[in-house]
Amino acid sequence: SQQGEEDPQALSIQEGENATMNCSYKTSINNLQWYRQNSGRGLVHLILIRSNEREKHSGRLRVTLDTSKKSSSLLITASRAADTASYFCATFGANSKLTFGKGITLSVRP
Amino acid sequence: GAVVSQHPSWVICKSGTSVKIECRSLDFQATTMFWYRQFPKQSLMLMATSNEGSKATYEQGVEKDKFLINHASLTLSTLTVTSAHPEDSSFYICSAAGAPADTQYFGPGTRLTVL
Repeated sequence: SQQGEEDPQALSIQEGENATMNCSYKTSINNLQWYRQNSGRGLVHLILIRSNEREKHSGRLRVTLDTSKKSSSLLITASRAADTASYFCATFGANSKLTFGKGITLSVRP
Repeated sequence: GAVVSQHPSWVICKSGTSVKIECRSLDFQATTMFWYRQFPKQSLMLMATSNEGSKATYEQGVEKDKFLINHASLTLSTLTVTSAHPEDSSFYICSAAGAPADTQYFGPGTRLTVL
């Protein structure tokens, strides 16, 4: 069953703008991860944030986690056309499994 | 990050045949490997978890006799889709993890089309 629910389902922005994607989940987690998937390809791990962390940065990526609201956000700053992809949040819980959300389709217009 | 390969990257087969997909961790020893299935424009659904040398653990609703998983070594797991039917057409993705298993490295996926 799916744990994470991302919103929006689709996002279209202009190159150079920031993209914000949100993820909500239902049960307690050990960590939350964000992945990127280009069309027809495998997943690329972007960033992991643990349940005791509130914010994490990696290059142009900024992830926040609010365990009280069971939500996370992924911010991509200064977006590029190459950022066009599907983005998934995935929660890792006590069952030692990754549970993925439905994904967000990001289109960055050049 | 670690590199995981899958072979083949795509396969087309006739209904009733069996198809084997290989997943290899190229530069680390994977304690655990996972097999996922993804339908077009949908999320990844975990099919099964396999640990080297032991039987795979299948998720609810996944037929273990249809999707045979073998994890023969710390670098290789195989998924065999037996007696494939058109409804088995999907994108199959494997991942590999060391210990702890909270960071998984994904293969590039295998597109299976059953005619």
